[in-house]
Amino acid sequence: SQQGEEDPQALSIQEGENATMNCSYKTSINNLQWYRQNSGRGLVHLILIRSNEREKHSGRLRVTLDTSKKSSSLLITASRAADTASYFCATEESGGSNYKLTFGKGTLLTVNP
Amino acid sequence: KAGVTQTPRYLIKTRGQQVTLSCSPISGHRSVSWYQQTPGQGLQFLFEYFSETQRNKGNFPGRFSGRQFSNSRSEMNVSTLELGDSALYLCASSLRPDNSYEQYFGPGTRLTVT
Repeated sequence: SQQGEEDPQALSIQEGENATMNCSYKTSINNLQWYRQNSGRGLVHLILIRSNEREKHSGRLRVTLDTSKKSSSLLITASRAADTASYFCATEESGGSNYKLTFGKGTLLTVNP
Repeated sequence: KAGVTQTPRYLIKTRGQQVTLSCSPISGHRSVSWYQQTPGQGLQFLFEYFSETQRNKGNFPGRFSGRQFSNSRSEMNVSTLELGDSALYLCASSLRPDNSYEQYFGPGTRLTVT
């Protein structure tokens, strides 16, 4: 079953604009991660935020985590055509050793040149 | 370092057949996970191995099985293939054995069942 649900399902913006994607999840988590996937290829890890962190930055990426609302957001600033991809959030549930990630269905981001 | 490699990249099989997919993790990574990706169900966890031991298994029928070798390479097997098994199968490896880890994914094996 899906843990994370991304919103929106699809997003189309112009190059240079910012893109914001949201993720909601259902259970308590150890951490939340964001991945990018280009057109049916493997996933690329973008950023990991732990449950005791509220915000994290990596280059043009900014991730926030609100555990009280069970939600996270991914902001990509100054987007480029090369950012066109599907973006997934993935959670590791807390409460023992799960050793698995539960993925949402993803947001398809299209950046138009 | 070389990334995660998966073989074969593409596979076409007939219903009822069985298939074995292979995954070689990044050198030094001992945790290997498998995921199935379909348009309808998205990314779903299959199983995870560490030091040749299966530590977790997803909600898939017993037709789906896997194993890990002493060199951390992993294989997954699907027996009695069904049309619904058509999917992209992704393997991921991780360096750390604990709960907070980032995973490095291979390019996937695209399986088509006819």
